[in-house]
Amino acid sequence: GAGVSQSPRYKVAKRGQDVALRCDPISGHVSLFWYQQALGQGPEFLTYFQNEAQLDKSGLPSDRFFAERPEGSVSTLKIQRTQQEDSAVYLCASSLQAGTGEGYTFGSGTRLTVV
Amino acid sequence: GENVEQHPSTLSVQEGDSAVIKCTYSDSASNYFPWYKQELGKRPQLIIDIRSNVGEKKDQRIAVTLNKTAKHFSLHITETQPEDSAVYFCADTKGDKIIFGKGTRLHILP
Repeated sequence: GAGVSQSPRYKVAKRGQDVALRCDPISGHVSLFWYQQALGQGPEFLTYFQNEAQLDKSGLPSDRFFAERPEGSVSTLKIQRTQQEDSAVYLCASSLQAGTGEGYTFGSGTRLTVV
Repeated sequence: GENVEQHPSTLSVQEGDSAVIKCTYSDSASNYFPWYKQELGKRPQLIIDIRSNVGEKKDQRIAVTLNKTAKHFSLHITETQPEDSAVYFCADTKGDKIIFGKGTRLHILP
């Protein structure tokens, strides 16, 4: 596609519910990143894939968070047993290159509200 | 550690005046510094970037300066316009990873 596509755009989850957020990167982009952006804050790194390999998951806040990219294209971020502090916008980005931090294109994000 | 400090957190300038946002970083090995603009409810978008072998870069009304010795870099917007109102993020990079500052909310006053 022309850009990075994320779905759903908005998600309301009851506390304790599991959620799955989808990211469709730009076709051919090797690198895929997930960020969490709390209200009024900058995006915080969660995890990074190069093709299907998850090279860095140091930003995942707990073992309730899990990400996968099984075929090196679409990625899913799963949050189990959601809690109120998980409420944030989850941004996905992809880039054609690897290893430089350059050429990121962000999706519009999924706004998760845990009630 | 991975750290980029940004200030001010909020900035109000009269339309037509200049705005300056400053950032510092901690890793002397850092070599790429992007700036992102995020309008309300929208995705962050790259507006300008600079590499460590360059001291300054300009693109129309936007410029970025880098002082590697002092480990700080700044965004300058001249002749500000209403559409410049947004949150601006400076960033440092660690390999593929972008580390964002906390952002500066820029208000352009009529």
